[in-house]
Amino acid sequence: QSVLTQPPSVSAAPGQKVTISCSGSSSNIGNNYVSWYQQFPGTAPKLLIYENNKRPSGIPDRFSGSKSGTSATLGITGLQTGDEADYYCGTWDSSLSAVVFGGGTKLTVL
Amino acid sequence: QVQLVQSGAEVKKPGASVKVSCKASGYTFTSYYMHWVRQAPGQGLEWMGIINPSGGSTSYAQKFQGRVTMTRDTSTSTVYMELSSLRSEDTAVYYCAKVRPRNDAFDIWGQGTMVTVSS
Repeated sequence: QSVLTQPPSVSAAPGQKVTISCSGSSSNIGNNYVSWYQQFPGTAPKLLIYENNKRPSGIPDRFSGSKSGTSATLGITGLQTGDEADYYCGTWDSSLSAVVFGGGTKLTVL
Repeated sequence: QVQLVQSGAEVKKPGASVKVSCKASGYTFTSYYMHWVRQAPGQGLEWMGIINPSGGSTSYAQKFQGRVTMTRDTSTSTVYMELSSLRSEDTAVYYCAKVRPRNDAFDIWGQGTMVTVSS
């Protein structure tokens, strides 16, 4: 059971928009930065979003992040079949003194 | 370019230990903390712990305390993760991951090392 809660799967059609939620508590999301990672099968995760809403260089602006209270959201617009992957949220948990992740969300582009 | 290159796949018997290496290049090794994260087959990401390559200090997830040891060799810019008393549940891909300057996200990941524990 993950400390952060994500939906197991989401789906949308090419060109559409999808959002992935990440729910936590005051000891993690509520008081720390959230990051998001994209992972394709058989490969290492890749940083998509850091500090809640910032994109590393090279990440298209189709990807966005936001945070409100103890929840965070990853948004992807203009969906492409190449976006099909697993997405994970992560943050620091001050009570556990540990990095915590969501269970991951599998994105299907129909 | 900045990269982390990990050692190859391992097959171990229950009760044995495994030591995975992660060699950094393209940046100042001692300037950024390094973490270890594992992923069991078909499962999510699980944080194991952190090492400061500068002084060598470590902090481990409670789940692994007593079984994991993280070390570094500054002469070769390499960090190591050793896990002992292996059991089948430790079968996973193990990743090293470098943090951003503000320690708020993992910006570079190693390619992963598959560790299989089987009798």
